[in-house]
Amino acid sequence: AQSVTQLGSHVSVSEGALVLLRCNYSSSVPPYLFWYVQYPNQGLQLLLKYTSAATLVKGINGFEAEFKKSETSFHLTKPSAHMSDAAEYFCAVTAAGNKLTFGGGTRVLVKP
Amino acid sequence: EAQVTQNPRYLITVTGKKLTVTCSQNMNHEYMSWYRQDPGLGLRQIYYSMNVEVTDKGDVPEGYKVSRKEKRNFPLILESPSPNQTSLYFCASSLSLAGGLSFGANVLTFGAGSRLTVL
Repeated sequence: AQSVTQLGSHVSVSEGALVLLRCNYSSSVPPYLFWYVQYPNQGLQLLLKYTSAATLVKGINGFEAEFKKSETSFHLTKPSAHMSDAAEYFCAVTAAGNKLTFGGGTRVLVKP
Repeated sequence: EAQVTQNPRYLITVTGKKLTVTCSQNMNHEYMSWYRQDPGLGLRQIYYSMNVEVTDKGDVPEGYKVSRKEKRNFPLILESPSPNQTSLYFCASSLSLAGGLSFGANVLTFGAGSRLTVL
């Protein structure tokens, strides 16, 4: 079985501050991991994915995530938040090939 | 433009009145899936399809049906909607390679969502 836990359903950051979104996964086999972003009234878009190549993965819009097997984590970071980063972010895992399991989501609010 | 198209985008209906949410993709993707999004629960998979005439249950299939008669279309059918099916629904598609783990390397393309309210 596979599962994803995102710590914090809401995160508030100041513009220019570090964005850190936490994701822990559970999987019985080596996983593939994803971060998706959902802007208001839109579907989800891929930010980045980990597929067992490099453990530090760079995505779009300055985001990156680091796969840490020992901690079963895949936290998402961005050094400097921008107002346009306000959105909901979802971590997802697949290990069974045909099933993608999502976390509960973290809504990011960026304060000017 | 490569896209997944869902219709309707918004629908208010009453308990027991059958409805269908259509989903169509123009990318020749083999894999298609339906999710529902509820606050605090993230996205939960309802049904998925690995190819034409091949469908299977996801995590929350009760009260839903699907069909995959053509590669591009994957409609979601609510035979007798109930208020607990009020939700935001997303269709998604992806290339699907032979072998289970190969899919994991592929990315889902999502539709814009269909907001359904059942009174």
